[in-house]
Amino acid sequence: AQTVTQSQPEMSVQEAETVTLSCTYDTSESDYYLFWYKQPPSRQMILVIRQEAYKQQNATENRFSVNFQKAAKSFSLKISDSQLGDAAMYFCAYRSETGANNLFFGTGTRLTVIP
Amino acid sequence: DTGVSQDPRHKITKRGQNVTFRCDPISEHNRLYWYRQTLGQGPEFLTYFQNEAQLEKSRLLSDRFSAERPKGSFSTLEIQRTEQGDSAMYLCASSSRDRVLSGYTFGSGTRLTVV
Repeated sequence: AQTVTQSQPEMSVQEAETVTLSCTYDTSESDYYLFWYKQPPSRQMILVIRQEAYKQQNATENRFSVNFQKAAKSFSLKISDSQLGDAAMYFCAYRSETGANNLFFGTGTRLTVIP
Repeated sequence: DTGVSQDPRHKITKRGQNVTFRCDPISEHNRLYWYRQTLGQGPEFLTYFQNEAQLEKSRLLSDRFSAERPKGSFSTLEIQRTEQGDSAMYLCASSSRDRVLSGYTFGSGTRLTVV
């Protein structure tokens, strides 16, 4: 079974600075998708960024970018120019390209943004 | 379409009672998922529907849990004879078969407290 590990339960960053959240995963598959989701306090989970495993180029969405290392099974999220609104729980998730249709989530990283 | 709706937002019930939650997905999404999230953990997959067919069930879904999606639109999740261990946030998500990279759209969840 696929497992997703987020080794940083909590992280903090100064406003306007850059922070990197770590994620590793375990799979025997070669084709899959990886996602980062953001869950603000008492609000719904929203998609931040996604990556297809067959693409070597790292995904970027405005201030959010990933460092995808397929051989190392690593998928970190970099948030640049951090804003107060970035404070939330961040979850890394894995989805198989075939077979299981569900997302496998990590345990999350709570990000605090310090003004 | 305003996204995925879940009702109720909060439910407090006595141990041993039955509860039912409702999820209204995005109308054009044919896939619907139920997840459970306990404090400090990432969401855990419970079950998946494609249209009205329940195609996957997690081992977490004990015999006391049942889910339906009549007519392939809204879905209900029922828990019979609730136990304190059932206390959690129950999340519903929907997605489109043809747009895997769009990820899932999550609802705001139903927080269940069993006393």
